[in-house]
Amino acid sequence: DIVMTQSPDSLAVSLGERATINCKSSQSVFFSSNGKTYLSWFQQKPGQPPKLLIYWASNRQSGVPDRFSGSGSGTDFTLTISSLQAEDVAVYYCHQYYSTPWTFGQGTKVEIK
Amino acid sequence: EVQLLESGGGLVQPGGSLRLSCAASGFAFSTYGMSWVRQAPGKGLEWVSGVSGSGVGTFYADSVKGRFTISRDNSNNTLYLQMNSLRVEDTALYYCAKRGGAARPLDYWGQGTLVTVSS
Repeated sequence: DIVMTQSPDSLAVSLGERATINCKSSQSVFFSSNGKTYLSWFQQKPGQPPKLLIYWASNRQSGVPDRFSGSGSGTDFTLTISSLQAEDVAVYYCHQYYSTPWTFGQGTKVEIK
Repeated sequence: EVQLLESGGGLVQPGGSLRLSCAASGFAFSTYGMSWVRQAPGKGLEWVSGVSGSGVGTFYADSVKGRFTISRDNSNNTLYLQMNSLRVEDTALYYCAKRGGAARPLDYWGQGTLVTVSS
């Protein structure tokens, strides 16, 4: 199974400041036959289902604000919130769907400092 | 508008069975793979099972293999999860989720249905 490890487990950021979440996969999630990286990021607010933010490591899902960006390749990935807003308080998960069983990181809780 | 509505959750004793359903609308159901993902109270996300658009390909987490069966009825736009030999550790909110297409992740999720396994 591919293990997804996020860091940190939680972080507190001031409004308007940058938040950075890291994710490391235990093996590559790059599918060479189509050139796609099977890594996505989800946001989950309390009492709500997860919401897809980023797919293919860096592609923003339709409707997602451009302050959210994803980067990385191979086994190391990053989700960046460029200017934290109050509505961004949530738990964020990275997720690989390269091979079954699909797996998620343990989650990173983002709060306002 | 894509809508996914789960049902069938409830309280069941260890060793019991439940069948979850997910009624889908707003998209060409048979075209897309579907999955069940669960979340134990206060915990993270765990992918449970997935099925291809045709229903031929099925996939399971090791923790449920041999106990859970995923299926779909494309004529009625409904996804199912038959859960047998339930354990206390299966207690969770079970989400139905739609895959975005080939090479795409899960892009729409339902609100979930709660399964509680307890004596």
